[in-house]
Amino acid sequence: GAGVSQSPSNKVTEKGKDVELRCDPISGHTALYWYRQSLGQGLEFLIYFQGNSAPDKSGLPSDRFSAERTGGSVSTLTIQRTQQEDSAVYLCASSLVRGARATQYFGPGTRLLVL
Amino acid sequence: GQNIDQPTEMTATEGAIVQINCTYQTSGFNGLFWYQQHAGEAPTFLSYNVLDGLEEKGRFSSFLSRSKGYSYLLLKELQMKDSASYICAVSPGSQGNLIFGKGTKLSVKP
Repeated sequence: GAGVSQSPSNKVTEKGKDVELRCDPISGHTALYWYRQSLGQGLEFLIYFQGNSAPDKSGLPSDRFSAERTGGSVSTLTIQRTQQEDSAVYLCASSLVRGARATQYFGPGTRLLVL
Repeated sequence: GQNIDQPTEMTATEGAIVQINCTYQTSGFNGLFWYQQHAGEAPTFLSYNVLDGLEEKGRFSSFLSRSKGYSYLLLKELQMKDSASYICAVSPGSQGNLIFGKGTKLSVKP
């Protein structure tokens, strides 16, 4: 079946502009995660959605970052007033169930470059 | 604090065996994952350990010692296609969000 998909695959933007990144999780997966991978760094947790529960936003680095998940499926990560330090690969992952033991399946990522 | 350490780079020869170590210090522990990530691609799941001991899956095995905060990934009969980054990740809580190491870049030489 189809895996996690993300769009766009690459995004170049100017400092100060807003960007929206999209994630389509695997059908039927109830949990969705956003991570950021900066050059030479490990993946950094940003936000987690589980069903209709309130999202865990504890990893968002600033109030310029926000995310939504509509209808329990597609998610959008929005970065307002982008800064150069926001340049990174943004990865989305989904898992069938919530919880520590659930295997997360990753999308191909969106490579964001802020000039 | 939360910390996961693994070597930055390793080199091995085709056909050989390589062991990639990972040590962790986290506020909680609900399992340890190993992921493989080829350059420019998404991480893909390799293994999951929550109990002490060795889990074997084909050419790949993963070991966990919770008392030592230590895991390793063992790759046997190395192939050129095994050249990739290998990422250790710990689930510290019950929610499922992971803490990742920076990855070990493995280069397999002929």
